[in-house]
Amino acid sequence: KNEVEQSPQNLTAQEGEFITINCSYSVGISALHWLQQHPGGGIVSLFMLSSGKKKHGRLIATINIQEKHSSLHITASHPRDSAVYICAVRASDMRFGAGTRLTVKP
Amino acid sequence: GAVVSQHPSWVICKSGTSVKIECRSLDFQATTMFWYRQFPKQSLMLMATSNEGSKATYEQGVEKDKFLINHASLTLSTLTVTSAHPEDSSFYICSAIRAPGPYNEQFFGPGTRLTVL
Repeated sequence: KNEVEQSPQNLTAQEGEFITINCSYSVGISALHWLQQHPGGGIVSLFMLSSGKKKHGRLIATINIQEKHSSLHITASHPRDSAVYICAVRASDMRFGAGTRLTVKP
Repeated sequence: GAVVSQHPSWVICKSGTSVKIECRSLDFQATTMFWYRQFPKQSLMLMATSNEGSKATYEQGVEKDKFLINHASLTLSTLTVTSAHPEDSSFYICSAIRAPGPYNEQFFGPGTRLTVL
């Protein structure tokens, strides 16, 4: 069993929809990252969380340490949000989820 | 914001040759850099952790004699794939931790796509 599980694996949405991507982990962590990887491969770090909630523009990330769960929300989704979203946790080292491929259709 | 660059962005080489990939932190000092590998349609895998001025720490299963890492300065780490073979074809990504700062604040490079013929 992967120590970092993401769901869903693939997600297709219509422009404007509210999107949620989930991440569950089974190890003790010091921080959790949400990363965005575009088709060209480049990675952008969206959030780093150790507790609570963070918001940046249309993106919101939450983490529940007790439940070992984090969610990434995208409000008013747009085709340019189409990318792979990766959850990564820092335990003794960095562990990555398999990613969620999001496609937002116009 | 902090910027990490990689060079080259892509490289094609013949089997048996060595390839060097550079990772630079452009506007900050990075005491720690990480090297990742990503195979098609798979997630990132940490290869090694590189600390400035000391030997890199390799993840289990990563051959340190094949993937040579040098972190000679606070702004540059290099990954050399020695005697590359087709199975080494992958997307190599580095990240850097800004110093001083939160240990977990990582900034990622754009990646280098290696194709070994």
